[in-house]
Amino acid sequence: NAGVTQTPKFQVLKTGQSMTLQCAQDMNHNSMYWYRQDPGMGLRLIYYSASEGTTDKGEVPNGYNVSRLNKREFSLRLESAAPSQTSVYFCASSDRWEQYFGPGTRLTVT
Amino acid sequence: GESVGLHLPTLSVQEGDNSIINCAYSNSASDYFIWYKQESGKGPQFIIDIRSNMDKRQGQRVTVLLNKTVKHLSLQIAATQPGDSAVYFCAENNNAGNMLTFGGGTRLMVKP
Repeated sequence: NAGVTQTPKFQVLKTGQSMTLQCAQDMNHNSMYWYRQDPGMGLRLIYYSASEGTTDKGEVPNGYNVSRLNKREFSLRLESAAPSQTSVYFCASSDRWEQYFGPGTRLTVT
Repeated sequence: GESVGLHLPTLSVQEGDNSIINCAYSNSASDYFIWYKQESGKGPQFIIDIRSNMDKRQGQRVTVLLNKTVKHLSLQIAATQPGDSAVYFCAENNNAGNMLTFGGGTRLMVKP
């Protein structure tokens, strides 16, 4: 099992550009999450999906949209990137409380 | 709002010594706690968890202690090794579905 995979690993965007971060899990988990992690800080929840077909805002949803494409895949979209969105983005999945994390996407917005 | 926090942002220990990483939480309704380890450039990895009906749980070289009276969680690492160097996060589930609230993290540095 690959666990949680994320693409791309690195991305540089110019202000105003859009992009989609992809996440997939092969553990048959119901719940999936998107977090951002800024330097020297903990994880902040952007959006989550408790089950296929549902999505909800987390702590810092502004500037992002998500799609739970199917049970395996949960994507995060930045419609118009801003420098404040420079961060490392982690996707996670869970069946109960223990969350399994992907390797992260390092995004820089110039 | 209620949150999870940590007492020490950086902990430096000698290889072979024991390490203790602390975490304070403020939500008395939380019933599940997890410790994660995050190595540089990687995602967080599960280390150990504990339910609120327990006060101690042991794993391989790690022990988690929960003191509900003072809302305090600690992670003890025995015989710390260079491979233990990482940032450690505590997280709590406060009955909000499957969501976790993460603390700010403590960096553990192991000196050879």
